[in-house]
Amino acid sequence: QKEVEQDPGPLSVPEGAIVSLNCTYSNSAFQYFMWYRQYSRKGPELLMYTYSSGNKEDGRFTAQVDKSSKYISLFIRDSQPSDSATYLCARGGDKLIFGTGTRLQVFP
Amino acid sequence: DTGVSQNPRHKITKRGQNVTFRCDPISEHNRLYWYRQTLGQGPEFLTYFQNEAQLEKSRLLSDRFSAERPKGSFSTLEIQRTEQGDSAMYLCASSDVPLNTEAFFGQGTRLTVV
Repeated sequence: QKEVEQDPGPLSVPEGAIVSLNCTYSNSAFQYFMWYRQYSRKGPELLMYTYSSGNKEDGRFTAQVDKSSKYISLFIRDSQPSDSATYLCARGGDKLIFGTGTRLQVFP
Repeated sequence: DTGVSQNPRHKITKRGQNVTFRCDPISEHNRLYWYRQTLGQGPEFLTYFQNEAQLEKSRLLSDRFSAERPKGSFSTLEIQRTEQGDSAMYLCASSDVPLNTEAFFGQGTRLTVV
């Protein structure tokens, strides 16, 4: 079993939709979780990180961690075509461990 | 500061040749990481440095791979006797915060072994 699991998608939504991206993790010892966005042939770009359980909001993006179910979520409101990218979740610690990434396409 | 810089951006090499990649982290970041990413996969951890000390190496890092970070500044990743399976994007990241809450990546070096 991989330490961080993520549905690879692809996920295709119309512009303006609310997008929900999800990951599960197996090791409850880690408290920090991150979301990165990666455009094709580019390096990952840090979107936000969260600590333990709860929500964190930054503009159109909300990250959520549910420790009881070991679930990590990223919500994107009012999605835009420019949000089309691969979204990577990761757990922090001594090193980042990533999921496989979910490819998102937002069409006009 | 322009962020994490990686060179070259692209490298095509023949099987059996040696290649070396360079990473310049964000200045004053004491942690530096190397990852490898293949198509459709997330980045896989290879190794990381705290200043000049290499603290951990993944089992993915075979004997043909070596990384250095002299003087705790830039880092190099060398692959000896390249194989076609080494074809991937090699990513470098740096952080000045424990627990990796804010680790920033470079644009990567895309290696193609023919």
